Amino acid sequence: DTAVSQTPKYLVTQMGNDKSIKCEQNLGHDTMYWYKQDSKKFLKIMFSYNNKELIINETVPNRFSPKSPDKAHLNLHINSLELGDSAVYFCASSSPGLQYFGAGTRLSVL
Amino acid sequence: QKEVEQDPGPLSVPEGAIVSLNCTYSNSAFQYFMWYRQYSRKGPELLMYTYSSGNKEDGRFTAQVDKSSKYISLFIRDSQPSDSATYLCAPAGDTGRRALTFGSGTRLQVQP
Repeated sequence: DTAVSQTPKYLVTQMGNDKSIKCEQNLGHDTMYWYKQDSKKFLKIMFSYNNKELIINETVPNRFSPKSPDKAHLNLHINSLELGDSAVYFCASSSPGLQYFGAGTRLSVL
Repeated sequence: QKEVEQDPGPLSVPEGAIVSLNCTYSNSAFQYFMWYRQYSRKGPELLMYTYSSGNKEDGRFTAQVDKSSKYISLFIRDSQPSDSATYLCAPAGDTGRRALTFGSGTRLQVQP
């Protein structure tokens, strides 16, 4: 069983569209995260939720909105996609403790 | 100055070599030091972690932390082609809810 799973794995879309990425963890962890990895491979935190409560909200455009329906799920919705949003988005979870990552969602905005 | 710095590589070594991967950091509050391995088109995978200064060994891998010089190292003995990946260091103030601050990663290629 995959511990942290993200869907979809690949997402190709046009500028201006709205898209969502879903994340689920079956580790029983309390805290979940969204990271963005750009073309230069830097991994940067975007958001973190603890038991459905937003605890980290880095300087990210308002077009990005996370939602946590329960502590096992953290989704990321992106409005009005721009070319610069192209990247790999990783979900992670921790309990507290060490962070475990999903396989990533590769987003390409055309 | 970036909070965490790593040489991006690529670092190319022959199979069986000893590999040394290094990071420097600036935040003296960091207490936990993680190493992640990321294969191409995969998510980061936790490889090892240490607390405070000192060494930790796990099979062919040894993690070393020198807090006085804010220097982190990962040594790989008897390197294998399967070790070819990007290695990311991630120091943290605690392992709780805080997000990790990653280095840029060092790309390692082990030639058979």
